[in-house]
Amino acid sequence: KQEVTQIPAALSVPEGENLVLNCSFTDSAIYNLQWFRQDPGKGLTSLLLIQSSQREQTSGRLNASLDKSSGRSTLYIAASQPGDSATYLCAVIRNQFYFGTGTSLTVIP
Amino acid sequence: EPEVTQTPSHQVTQMGQEVILRCVPISNHLYFYWYRQILGQKVEFLVSFYNNEISEKSEIFDDQFSVERPDGSNFTLKIRSTKLEDSAMYFCASKPGSIDTQYFGPGTRLTVL
Repeated sequence: KQEVTQIPAALSVPEGENLVLNCSFTDSAIYNLQWFRQDPGKGLTSLLLIQSSQREQTSGRLNASLDKSSGRSTLYIAASQPGDSATYLCAVIRNQFYFGTGTSLTVIP
Repeated sequence: EPEVTQTPSHQVTQMGQEVILRCVPISNHLYFYWYRQILGQKVEFLVSFYNNEISEKSEIFDDQFSVERPDGSNFTLKIRSTKLEDSAMYFCASKPGSIDTQYFGPGTRLTVL
């Protein structure tokens, strides 16, 4: 059974800092991997989708990488802002989504 | 931009009552999903639906749960006799094709008293 783990569970950084969120998964037979943002009490906002044949995707200040062989993905956030404060979820995708527990990010002004 | 919508945003019910959570997927999508998130826990897959039938379901999706696409637009999740542990946020998702990403709705918060 696919297990998805995210480290750290919580992270607090000062505004402007670059940061890395980690996601690991146990079964490398995935189709895609997707990073989401979830604000308190809200739904899921898709950030980046990495197809299994790709190694990374970039959108603005966000860069996500995927290493299937090692079962890892990272989400890099450059020049963090207070508006980036949220929970970040990674999900590996085969026939369904397998979600990690998330990293709760707080960016301090 | 088209969105998945869900109603109601918050549903409060008594234990043992039936609830129906409603979703309107994006109009040209063919694959439909329900997920739930108990407060403080992971988002968990419940069921996938394609071509008017369930294609996959998790161990959570027992006989108390059912899904239906009663018309061309709605996709519903019914919980027959709610339990306290059914309290969670329920997310609907849809996608156009088998290899595409899923688009998630804003969720329905279900509170069972």
